[in-house]
Amino acid sequence: GESVGLHLPTLSVQEGDNSIINCAYSNSASDYFIWYKQESGKGPQFIIDIRSNMDKRQGQRVTVLLNKTVKHLSLQIAATQPGDSAVYFCAEKGTGFQKLVFGTGTRLLVSP
Amino acid sequence: KAGVTQTPRYLIKTRGQQVTLSCSPISGHRSVSWYQQTPGQGLQFLFEYFSETQRNKGNFPGRFSGRQFSNSRSEMNVSTLELGDSALYLCASSWITGGEAFFGQGTRLTVV
Repeated sequence: GESVGLHLPTLSVQEGDNSIINCAYSNSASDYFIWYKQESGKGPQFIIDIRSNMDKRQGQRVTVLLNKTVKHLSLQIAATQPGDSAVYFCAEKGTGFQKLVFGTGTRLLVSP
Repeated sequence: KAGVTQTPRYLIKTRGQQVTLSCSPISGHRSVSWYQQTPGQGLQFLFEYFSETQRNKGNFPGRFSGRQFSNSRSEMNVSTLELGDSALYLCASSWITGGEAFFGQGTRLTVV
């Protein structure tokens, strides 16, 4: 079946540290992976995505790594700021479909 | 450009009643997807509409239905409400099926 899971429910870091949020997926047919950030009272906000033919993609302060061998996805946030505090979800989907399968989420807490 | 707009933001209904939620996608977007978010089940896909046609459906009972209008606006309906239907209902729009999804702030439904 389909399942996307996260290793840690809560991650606490100090401001300025680098954060790493992990995600495991089980559907080897998925070819598109996305990280979303959800702040309290808001809908998920797109952060960064990666296709299955890539193993790394960088954005502004964020990097997504994809390891298809072990079906693992990670989100790295550099120089974490208090504004990064939120719940982070990984999601996967197949080509041409809009159905996103979400992980359980990791709450990132950034203390000053 | 205006984002995805969901109305109402909050709703309280009694068990057994029915409810209709509305979603206005980003201008030009033709795909609208709906998700249910609960603390226990996380984010789960309900259905997707593209050009007024349902393209994909999640594992929800027939009490959950939706439709899309010619202007791409979408509604979802839940009949015979149950306590377990209490959730945040999120709508996401994208330009095409399979494209990057932008989420609205959601409608918080409470069934009492």
